[in-house]
Amino acid sequence: GQSLEQPSEVTAVEGAIVQINCTYQTSGFYGLSWYQQHDGGAPTFLSYNALDGLEETGRFSSFLSRSDSYGYLLLQELQMKDSASYFCAVRSGGYNKLIFGAGTRLAVHP
Amino acid sequence: EAGVTQFPSHSVIEKGQTVTLRCDPISGHDNLYWYRRVMGKEIKFLLHFVKESKQDESGMPNNRFLAERTGGTYSTLKVQPAELEDSGVYFCASSQERASGRQETQYFGPGTRLLVL
Repeated sequence: GQSLEQPSEVTAVEGAIVQINCTYQTSGFYGLSWYQQHDGGAPTFLSYNALDGLEETGRFSSFLSRSDSYGYLLLQELQMKDSASYFCAVRSGGYNKLIFGAGTRLAVHP
Repeated sequence: EAGVTQFPSHSVIEKGQTVTLRCDPISGHDNLYWYRRVMGKEIKFLLHFVKESKQDESGMPNNRFLAERTGGTYSTLKVQPAELEDSGVYFCASSQERASGRQETQYFGPGTRLLVL
């Protein structure tokens, strides 16, 4: 089957750095994406990695290692507004279908 | 530019009833997707339209679910008759036309929260 594994919950304090890991097992792989979702809101695209390495977008960075079927999202200088659920998703197959992990709930405390 | 919109935001129905969910994608986006998140689990793919054609409906759970996209604009997802296990959040997403070797960002709507009693 196809599956993505990520921690269910992560807790951190304001100003800290947190890393959310994602390992995947899929029949095809065309890239790893990360989405953020606040309670009751729409999943919002954060980043995408098609090739190995680090992609940086402001306070957020995402890393991919295709040989290890592993990626992570790194959030720096955490703010209270970063409290949300974070989903990793793999594009598996030629039609852009996304396979999601169950999500990691991040709680940022003062 | 308006994002993906979905209607209704919430729906509570009884088992056996029919519910129709609507999604309006971002203007100009040919690709439209339906996903579902049940009981706090992962978001699962249901189907994918390219314009008015169903490109991939491998995630549709059974024949009680019917999706349409008239004229390649908005889409509807009808559940008839609804069962208890259909409860969840139904998301719609859209993206631009696929370009060779390029990942097109999928933009999600806020979802419809369906509760079947």
